[in-house]
Amino acid sequence: GQSLEQPSEVTAVEGAIVQINCTYQTSGFYGLSWYQQHDGGAPTFLSYNALDGLEETGRFSSFLSRSDSYGYLLLQELQMKDSASYFCAVRDPLSSGSARQLTFGSGTQLTVLP
Amino acid sequence: DAEITQSPRHKITETGRQVTLACHQTWNHNNMFWYRQDLGHGLRLIHYSYGVQDTNKGEVSDGYSVSRSNTEDLPLTLESAASSQTSVYFCATSDKPGDEQYFGPGTRLTVT
Repeated sequence: GQSLEQPSEVTAVEGAIVQINCTYQTSGFYGLSWYQQHDGGAPTFLSYNALDGLEETGRFSSFLSRSDSYGYLLLQELQMKDSASYFCAVRDPLSSGSARQLTFGSGTQLTVLP
Repeated sequence: DAEITQSPRHKITETGRQVTLACHQTWNHNNMFWYRQDLGHGLRLIHYSYGVQDTNKGEVSDGYSVSRSNTEDLPLTLESAASSQTSVYFCATSDKPGDEQYFGPGTRLTVT
């Protein structure tokens, strides 16, 4: 099976940089995804890393090290609207074709303070 | 614009009753998923479908069933609701590489 660990809470101030870590243990590995969820809202896709290294999308970046079974989401120039839960997820190695069965971490609640 | 809708958005039911949660998508995606979300557990997969007439069990499928008679809909049925099934339920679809799933707005179900 798969297990993912991420911190339950992170707090930072507006304008700062914050890193949310995710370590995983899986029987196979096909990539690490990140999702954002605001209170009362639906999860929304942020990024996907299949290979080692850093992927940048605006203020958000995601990093993966497959040898360390580790990844992180980096949020720069934090804004109040970034206050949300952030989930890492890995694909079930038994899934096939275009179907992406995901196993999610328990989520990190990010609070951005003024 | 393509979208995923879920209904009802809120539901209160009694223990033992059968409940069906609807999920309708206009993305024309083959893959559909049902998750439940509980505090401290993130999102856990209940059932999923790769296409019409295909259904599969996920991590927490006991007490739930789904059917897929067309591309657009994947209703989730709780055969005999239990208090442990009080949760927020999300439907999702995907048809793209890179593990991107599109989520519906969710249904908050309370079983009393």
